[in-house]
Amino acid sequence: AQTVTQSQPEMSVQEAETVTLSCTYDTSESDYYLFWYKQPPSRQMILVIRQEAYKQQNATENRFSVNFQKAAKSFSLKISDSQLGDAAMYFCAYRSGSPGNQFYFGTGTSLTVIP
Amino acid sequence: NAGVMQNPRHLVRRRGQEARLRCSPMKGHSHVYWYRQLPEEGLKFMVYLQKENIIDESGMPKERFSAEFPKEGPSILRIQQVVRGDSAAYFCASSPRENEKLFFGSGTQLSVL
Repeated sequence: AQTVTQSQPEMSVQEAETVTLSCTYDTSESDYYLFWYKQPPSRQMILVIRQEAYKQQNATENRFSVNFQKAAKSFSLKISDSQLGDAAMYFCAYRSGSPGNQFYFGTGTSLTVIP
Repeated sequence: NAGVMQNPRHLVRRRGQEARLRCSPMKGHSHVYWYRQLPEEGLKFMVYLQKENIIDESGMPKERFSAEFPKEGPSILRIQQVVRGDSAAYFCASSPRENEKLFFGSGTQLSVL
C-alpha cells in the first residue's frame, strides 16, 4: 500500500508571512494524483489544491501553491500571505491513477496563524 | 447543489448497540468513500462503493462493520455491537467519476459509552 508522510505535526506562521508544509509519499506507480486538504475546527474537509503526476508544472490556487518533486516523491504546500482563516489541519493525500483505488492520507499538520 | 450530507452529526451509543451512519452524496456522484478519523490521526480508508457495488473494502474490519450504497437512498455504514474503540469521527466523501477530487461531508462523531 502507498504511504503518505507528513513529518511536521505542528507548524506556526505569522500573519501575512509564508509557510511551507511538507509531504512525502511512497509509490512505485507513475500515474497518480496528489492533493492537499484543509480541515478547520468545523471538521469539514476542504480541497485546497490538486496535482496530476504527469504534469510538470506546479499547481497554483491563489495564495496556495505546491512544489512537486516527482523524483524525490515530495509534494509540499506553500501558503503565501497567511491569513487567520488559514489556521487548520492540513492533510496531504495520494490517489493512484488506476481505477478502483482509494485515497491515502497523511497524519496531518496543524497550522497556527499568529496575529 | 447541496454538498455531501451526513447524519447524524453526533451519535451516542452504549456498548453492544448498533450504529447506523448515513451519507447522501452530492447530486450526480456515484462514487462514495468512508473514512475514519481518530484523534491526532489522519483519515483511514474503510470502504469504497459505487451504486449497489462494493469496490474496495480492504479498510473495513472483518467483523461488525458493513456498508452499502443502494440504487436509491443514502449510503449506510453500519457498526454492530459497538465497542469503545469504535469511537471516532466517520467521514463520507463522494466523487462524480474515478480519479476525481473528493467532496467530503462534515462527518459523524460516534461516541460509545
